Amino acid sequence: NAGVTQTPKFQVLKTGQSMTLQCAQDMNHNSMYWYRQDPGMGLRLIYYSASEGTTDKGEVPNGYNVSRLNKREFSLRLESAAPSQTSVYFCASSEGSGQGAYSNQPQHFGDGTRLSIL
Amino acid sequence: AQKVTQAQTEISVVEKEDVTLDCVYETRDTTYYLFWYKQPPSGELVFLIRRNSFDEQNEISGRYSWNFQKSTSSFNFTITASQVVDSAVYFCALSENFNKFYFGSGTKLNVKP
Repeated sequence: NAGVTQTPKFQVLKTGQSMTLQCAQDMNHNSMYWYRQDPGMGLRLIYYSASEGTTDKGEVPNGYNVSRLNKREFSLRLESAAPSQTSVYFCASSEGSGQGAYSNQPQHFGDGTRLSIL
Repeated sequence: AQKVTQAQTEISVVEKEDVTLDCVYETRDTTYYLFWYKQPPSGELVFLIRRNSFDEQNEISGRYSWNFQKSTSSFNFTITASQVVDSAVYFCALSENFNKFYFGSGTKLNVKP
């Protein structure tokens, strides 16, 4: 089982460039998440999707957009990259479903994307 | 205010020592869930345990044990007889209603041979 697959694993961008990070899961999970991980700050939720067709802002959504393309795929887009967005990005999925449902299920994480913006 | 506080930034122990990682959380919900994740040097995040707010029983899994105390809003993690392979960053996390997940800043554990 592949679990959660993120592409690319590494990327270097110039300020102002745009980019889409891809995430796919093969566990038939309803909920998907995007986090960023910065030194000393743990993981911070950018956006999440409680079910296919829905997306909601997390703790740090500014500068990002997301698309829940179908049940398997959840992409994260940087429209105009800034150095402050240099980070490691993790996608995750869980069995939790439906808006209003408690997210009581463990999240399964991808291997991360290391993004550097010069 | 931090929803999840892991005050220990980094801990170093010698192999076979016991070590406790602290986690303090803050929530107004009566129903919530707490998690611990491990991030080894390879970078992936590995789920370790989940507890719900109604179950305060301590849990033991091999060398790992967890102490959940609602009275002090703490969910501490103890590794008994630590091993070098336990070296990692450990994250405590809280989930509330509506798919809101909050991670602590992590505790880096160094286990020296």
